[in-house]
Amino acid sequence: GQNIDQPTEMTATEGAIVQINCTYQTSGFNGLFWYQQHAGEAPTFLSYNVLDGLEEKGRFSSFLSRSKGYSYLLLKELQMKDSASYLCAVFSGSARQLTFGSGTQLTVLP
Amino acid sequence: DVKVTQSSRYLVKRTGEKVFLECVQDMDHENMFWYRQDPGLGLRLIYFSYDVKMKEKGDIPEGYSVSREKKERFSLILESASTNQTSMYLCASSLESRQGGAFFGQGTRLTVV
Repeated sequence: GQNIDQPTEMTATEGAIVQINCTYQTSGFNGLFWYQQHAGEAPTFLSYNVLDGLEEKGRFSSFLSRSKGYSYLLLKELQMKDSASYLCAVFSGSARQLTFGSGTQLTVLP
Repeated sequence: DVKVTQSSRYLVKRTGEKVFLECVQDMDHENMFWYRQDPGLGLRLIYFSYDVKMKEKGDIPEGYSVSREKKERFSLILESASTNQTSMYLCASSLESRQGGAFFGQGTRLTVV
């Protein structure tokens, strides 16, 4: 089976840095994705990790440790528009299945 | 830009009706997915397909079926709608090389009364 865990809610202040953690236990692993979803909208792709280490893309970075079944999304210089749900998803290779965690609702306060 | 289009944004159906949700993508993606999203439960995979006429069950396939007769189109079918199928349904597509991520349609809010 597939199990992906992430915190339900987080709050941070505008301009700050926040780290959203994700742990997973899946049958097979072919990559981990992070998505952003604003209320009432579809998820949009943020990042992809398949090898261990840090991937940086502007204000957003994502880290993966396959041996620990662990990833985090790092958001720097937070802006009000970053208030959204952040979804961790794992691609399980043999099953070609893309499974999502329940999402972390991030609220950015002024 | 990749475009994934779902046939309806909002839909209201009666219990027992047969419901079709259509999804079309224009980027020649191999993989297509159907999810439902409910508060507190996140996105749950119903069915997916990695090729024409191929389908695989996800985590919650009961009460649903799918059809993929053409590469660009993936349909979700509720054989006999029930009130517990009231939800937001999201379709997604991706390349076989998963690095590109999955692209989502705008979602269909289905209410079964």
